[in-house]
Amino acid sequence: DQQVKQNSPSLSVQEGRISILNCDYTNSMFDYFLWYKKYPAEGPTFLISISSIKDKNEDGRFTVFLNKSAKHLSLHIVPSQPGDSAVYFCAASAVYNAGNMLTFGGGTRLMVKP
Amino acid sequence: GAGVSQSPSNKVTEKGKDVELRCDPISGHTALYWYRQRLGQGLEFLIYFQGNSAPDKSGLPSDRFSAERTGESVSTLTIQRTQQEDSAVYLCASSPPWGTSGYTFGSGTRLTVV
Repeated sequence: DQQVKQNSPSLSVQEGRISILNCDYTNSMFDYFLWYKKYPAEGPTFLISISSIKDKNEDGRFTVFLNKSAKHLSLHIVPSQPGDSAVYFCAASAVYNAGNMLTFGGGTRLMVKP
Repeated sequence: GAGVSQSPSNKVTEKGKDVELRCDPISGHTALYWYRQRLGQGLEFLIYFQGNSAPDKSGLPSDRFSAERTGESVSTLTIQRTQQEDSAVYLCASSPPWGTSGYTFGSGTRLTVV
């Protein structure tokens, strides 16, 4: 049973426009959420996170929104740049888990066209 | 070291041979994780080490897979009698014991079984 799902395997966006990547989760114990970005031949790198006590966290062009009642989070990238083209993974954890055990979604491949 | 180091970066092996993959975590990170990513797939959890506790092996796909960790440092993932379906990128990550900083991933080992 996939506890974290990214239903869109790919997304194509024009440079300068907004990219919206979505993620749904089923485990109500999850209270911390992260987004990772992965380029080919590299490991995933941390991008942005949000705690369940917030519904929005912003870092430059990247904003993560959390809707706890819907068990849904999204990553907005504005404006999108060609260098943002990568695979994006959302991940979730429950603070009570020692070692920050993360459960990952399947990833969404973002392609930003110049 | 400054980051998580994995070796080798690439490994091509013949079906039926054993392989050993190595991970050097960030110093002070007590938690260590192994994931794999098959072509076009998401991150699949394999095994998790936390300090001196018994590892969580719930993600290992078969008894051909095993992993060890020496104290809170190096870990090795061993795959015996490799099969073609074992071909994947094997990713190692480490994290502090508590907190919300998420994982730091290595660049992975790309394993190809021919």
